[in-house]
Amino acid sequence: QVQLVESGGGVVQPGRSLRLSCAASGFTFSSYGMHWVRQAPGKGLEWVAVISYDGSNKYYADSVKGRFTISRDNSKNTLYLQMNSLRAEDTAVYYCAKDTGIAAAGNPTFFDYWGQGTLVTVSS
Amino acid sequence: DIQMTQSPSSVSASVGDRVTITCRASQGISSWLAWYQQKPGKAPKLLIYAASSLQSGVPSRFSGSGSGTDFTLTISSLQPEDFATYYCQQANSFPQLTFGGGTKVEIK
Repeated sequence: QVQLVESGGGVVQPGRSLRLSCAASGFTFSSYGMHWVRQAPGKGLEWVAVISYDGSNKYYADSVKGRFTISRDNSKNTLYLQMNSLRAEDTAVYYCAKDTGIAAAGNPTFFDYWGQGTLVTVSS
Repeated sequence: DIQMTQSPSSVSASVGDRVTITCRASQGISSWLAWYQQKPGKAPKLLIYAASSLQSGVPSRFSGSGSGTDFTLTISSLQPEDFATYYCQQANSFPQLTFGGGTKVEIK
């Protein structure tokens, strides 16, 4: 069965960095696009970033562009999110989510599997 | 970016009720819409994709309809396990994917 397990969350001061990981199993990781989606406490869902199945294309929400970097290691079935220059408004549960396809323009992009989430708290 | 507006923001209903949630896009998105269910402390779960296709394993009491700018999620007979928050998501403007604000279905 498909499993996505996030790790790396925690409490970090504003301006510092953090790297999240998402270990995938139960499907052919290298065949699917992958996303990060976050949810601030008590709020709705916000898409953060996407990486195509082969890592050749990466896109970001305007709110994180230039500060966050998404990457993947298909040999390790692992997705990453490097978060730099963190702000209080980045405080959220971060979910990794599997795309229903390769994650490319013209292809339907829905999230069919999600991890359990990892909490990132940015506070001094 | 395409804005997604859900209504109502919350609804109180009883077991066995028919519940309808709507989602409106700020511009046409064809049928590129999904619905998710989220329970407290849990990850979202895909219910409906491509506006009306039922995700594998999801009970048939859930159904979706619509195209263009107006979409509907219907729960035909509300069950105790259906009390949750529901979100719509548009997939038309890749990569800028957006969610609706959510609709909380509460026990009456």
